[in-house]
Amino acid sequence: KQEVTQIPAALSVPEGENLVLNCSFTDSAIYNLQWFRQDPGKGLTSLLLIQSSQREQTSGRLNASLDKSSGRSTLYIAASQPGDSATYLCAVRGIQGAQKLVFGQGTRLTINP
Amino acid sequence: NAGVTQTPKFQVLKTGQSMTLQCAQDMNHEYMSWYRQDPGMGLRLIHYSVGAGITDQGEVPNGYNVSRSTTEDFPLRLLSAAPSQTSVYFCASTQDRVTGELFFGEGSRLTVL
Repeated sequence: KQEVTQIPAALSVPEGENLVLNCSFTDSAIYNLQWFRQDPGKGLTSLLLIQSSQREQTSGRLNASLDKSSGRSTLYIAASQPGDSATYLCAVRGIQGAQKLVFGQGTRLTINP
Repeated sequence: NAGVTQTPKFQVLKTGQSMTLQCAQDMNHEYMSWYRQDPGMGLRLIHYSVGAGITDQGEVPNGYNVSRSTTEDFPLRLLSAAPSQTSVYFCASTQDRVTGELFFGEGSRLTVL
């Protein structure tokens, strides 16, 4: 059974820092991995989607990497801003059970001005 | 760009009442799904549909019904609400259920008393 873990559960950093959020998964047989952002009381906003054949994807100040063989993904946020404060979720779509995404519990990120 | 639209945003029910959560998407996506999000449990798949007229159960389907009469709409029905169904419900859609990026609605917050 696929399990997705995100550590740490919460992270607080000063504005301007570069930071890395971690995601690990137990079964490397995946189609893709997706990173989301969730603001309090809101829905999930898709940030980046990495297919299993890809090593990384970039969007603006965000860069996500995927190491399928080791079951790890990282989300790198450059020059963090207070507006980046949110919960960040990663989710994998496994080859087995492809009808659903398996989500991590998320990392709650706070950027302090 | 409406994307995935959910109504209502908030609802309070009494135990035993029934109701329908509405979901509509304007992206012509074939695949639609419902998740619930609970503290400590993350997001879990309730039901999904791979196209009009085709639905299937996810990991927590009990107490919920769905139908898919059109590509655009995928309502979720609670037949007899229970306090255990107090949750935040998210509808999501994608063009390709294996490789596609999943887009979420803003959520419907349901409280069952």
